[in-house]
Amino acid sequence: SQQGEEDPQALSIQEGENATMNCSYKTSINNLQWYRQNSGRGLVHLILIRSNEREKHSGRLRVTLDTSKKSSSLLITASRAADTASYFCATGLGDMRFGAGTRLTVKP
Amino acid sequence: GAVVSQHPSWVICKSGTSVKIECRSLDFQATTMFWYRQFPKQSLMLMATSNEGSKATYEQGVEKDKFLINHASLTLSTLTVTSAHPEDSSFYICSARETYNEQFFGPGTRLTVL
Repeated sequence: SQQGEEDPQALSIQEGENATMNCSYKTSINNLQWYRQNSGRGLVHLILIRSNEREKHSGRLRVTLDTSKKSSSLLITASRAADTASYFCATGLGDMRFGAGTRLTVKP
Repeated sequence: GAVVSQHPSWVICKSGTSVKIECRSLDFQATTMFWYRQFPKQSLMLMATSNEGSKATYEQGVEKDKFLINHASLTLSTLTVTSAHPEDSSFYICSARETYNEQFFGPGTRLTVL
């Protein structure tokens, strides 16, 4: 079964704008991960945030985690057309459970 | 990061035939492998978890007799879709991990059943 929901399901922005995606989960976690998937391709690991962390940065990516609200957000700054993909959050290190995903389209 | 490969990357088969998909960990020993299924524009759904040398644990609603999983070695797991039907057409993704370590995903296999 899926762990939670991503919000929004789809997002369309212009190049250079920031994109924010949210993820909610249902159970207690030790960590949460964000992945990117280009259409018809495998998953690319973006970032892992542990349950005792509130914010983490990696390049143009910023992830926040609010364990009290069971939610996380992924911010992509200064978006590029190449960022067009689906983005998923996932919980668990073992049998990983994925959210529904956000389809991001960045228009050049 | 570690590399996980899948073979084939895509396969087309006739209804009623069986298809085998291989998942290999190329530079590490995968004590556990996972199989996911993804329908178009949907998320990944965990199908089963397999530990080397033991029977796979299937998620609720996944038919173990239809989706045969073998994890005979620390670098190879196979998923066999038996008597495939058009509704089995999907993107199948495996992942692998060493004990307590990060999980690495394969590139996926696109199955189309005619």
